[in-house]
Amino acid sequence: GAVVSQHPSWVICKSGTSVKIECRSLDFQATTMFWYRQFPKQSLMLMATSNEGSKATYEQGVEKDKFLINHASLTLSTLTVTSAHPEDSSFYICSASTGKGYNEQFFGPGTRLTVL
Amino acid sequence: EDQVTQSPEALRLQEGESSSLNCSYTVSGLRGLFWYRQDPGKGPEFLFTLYSAGEEKEKERLKATLTKKESFLHITAPKPEDSATYLCAVEDQFYFGTGTSLTVIP
Repeated sequence: GAVVSQHPSWVICKSGTSVKIECRSLDFQATTMFWYRQFPKQSLMLMATSNEGSKATYEQGVEKDKFLINHASLTLSTLTVTSAHPEDSSFYICSASTGKGYNEQFFGPGTRLTVL
Repeated sequence: EDQVTQSPEALRLQEGESSSLNCSYTVSGLRGLFWYRQDPGKGPEFLFTLYSAGEEKEKERLKATLTKKESFLHITAPKPEDSATYLCAVEDQFYFGTGTSLTVIP
């Protein structure tokens, strides 16, 4: 149980285009979903927290207009990187939780984004 | 400024050679400390949550302990399949450390 999937697992796009990444909780309903970014040899950085049906809460320094998050249902959250640039290339990981805190997070396998 | 520091950055052990990984933190109000395992190209896998100084938790060859300033992840008689990056995270807001890359040599 407690499986979280992400799609796509990797994506390559041209600079200036937008990319959508999906995060799904497959066998449970996720009250809260989190989005992280991980650069090579660095740790995960929390980007935003989203609760179903409400606006996402972004961490300081994360551009909300660039990283659009939609948590449309209890099993699906999407992250859209708008007008992507090479510096947005990273490993994006989502997690899902049945609670409102950071405990009991189940992580997805991640999405590798490369912007050319 | 809140910080989470893990040491060492990398650790190579012979199979069966026990050791400990360190996670030091400076947060104003710790609400929980988490340990995760991350394999290359994958998301973290939850191992433990610790809430108060003196607390200990065990799972197979792993044992996590917590003091007021740091946490240790003890690995007893490791096997090659324990090779991974081990991450700690602290909840004040939510910060991950940079991880310890563990390699266990057969």
